[in-house]
Amino acid sequence: NAGVTQTPKFQVLKTGQSMTLQCAQDMNHNSMYWYRQDPGMGLRLIYYSASEGTTDKGEVPNGYNVSRLNKREFSLRLESAAPSQTSVYFCASSEGGETNEKLFFGSGTQLSVL
Amino acid sequence: AQSVTQPDIHITVSEGASLELRCNYSYGATPYLFWYVQSPGQGLQLLLKYFSGDTLVQGIKGFEAEFKRSQSSFNLRKPSVHWSDAAEYFCAVPGYSSASKIIFGSGTRLSIRP
Repeated sequence: NAGVTQTPKFQVLKTGQSMTLQCAQDMNHNSMYWYRQDPGMGLRLIYYSASEGTTDKGEVPNGYNVSRLNKREFSLRLESAAPSQTSVYFCASSEGGETNEKLFFGSGTQLSVL
Repeated sequence: AQSVTQPDIHITVSEGASLELRCNYSYGATPYLFWYVQSPGQGLQLLLKYFSGDTLVQGIKGFEAEFKRSQSSFNLRKPSVHWSDAAEYFCAVPGYSSASKIIFGSGTRLSIRP
């Protein structure tokens, strides 16, 4: 059982380049999330998808777009990367709903923007 | 607005010693509360959660946490730490208008002294 799989694990971009972070879960979860983790700031929510076909902005959505391709997959796109987007990105999933908020996390993508 | 504060950035304890990590929350109603652990290079894993009922919650790996409404706290404890407990620990609460999004504290890094 793979759980939540993120690709790539590492990426270096130049300012202005674009890329897509891929995420897939095999637990039949309804909700999926993208977080970024920066030193001293914990995890901040970028975008989430409460269910297939829906996406909503989180705390720090600027500079990002997302696609909930199907129930399994939730991608995060940087259209024009900036050094401020250097971070570790985590995808997570959960069954959703108010009483079952156990999040399952991928192992992260370390992104550097030069 | 919902928020969570972890006042300790870094704590070092000796192996075998007891541990308490602090978490204070701000929440408009009876909160759901979570503790997650992140081992180096990994995503986060749920340690325990409080939804209602008994204010002392047992989790995995020998951890427990106590919900104290009067102090707006949900501190994580372990009677005797092991070297493998070295990690970063995050307290979390549901955010926004729905419990489907989780807000994380800034984290406490735990180091273990041999």
